[in-house]
Amino acid sequence: GDSVTQMEGPVTLSEEAFLTINCTYTATGYPSLFWYVQYPGEGLQLLLKATKADDKGSNKGFEATYRKETTSFHLEKGSVQVSDSAVYFCIHGGSQGNLIFGKGTKLSVKP
Amino acid sequence: KAGVTQTPRYLIKTRGQQVTLSCSPISGHRSVSWYQQTPGQGLQFLFEYFSETQRNKGNFPGRFSGRQFSNSRSEMNVSTLELGDSALYLCASSLAQLAGGTYEQYFGPGTRLTVT
Repeated sequence: GDSVTQMEGPVTLSEEAFLTINCTYTATGYPSLFWYVQYPGEGLQLLLKATKADDKGSNKGFEATYRKETTSFHLEKGSVQVSDSAVYFCIHGGSQGNLIFGKGTKLSVKP
Repeated sequence: KAGVTQTPRYLIKTRGQQVTLSCSPISGHRSVSWYQQTPGQGLQFLFEYFSETQRNKGNFPGRFSGRQFSNSRSEMNVSTLELGDSALYLCASSLAQLAGGTYEQYFGPGTRLTVT
């Protein structure tokens, strides 16, 4: 069945460090892929998306590339800030029309 | 444009009671989905409504139900509450619902339900 596997956290980085959060998926067909972010006490916000193979989504310095050959959608940022501390979810549009979520990766950035 | 709103934000109920949660989608959005978020299970899909019809349903017992009104506002109901129903319930709206499609969902802040 459809699923998403993302690296377990928590991930703790110093400010200005490089961030990678790995995400792989299994799906029927070629779903859209998303990264959402959840700040403490809030709902999820769309961070970026990619709708087809080799698409690169980017926003606020974050990037992720839709890799069909490796079924991956890893999230990267070159220099994280304290304000990036949140939980990040890798998600794909399931074959039934609902979203399939990864378990989330908590990121803590220390000054 | 106003975002997705959910009411109430916090709720405390006792076992055996029932509860109704409300979600108002972004204006113009006709699809509303509900999700349950718990520390143990993460985010799980409950159901999705489009134009007042339930089109998709997750793997939850029949105690969980929902509906959508003609103005796209949606409610979900949980009857005979159990301790394990304690969770953050998130509502999300989108313009359209396409299987495996390119739609984006916009989430509300959630309703925190505590069952004692």
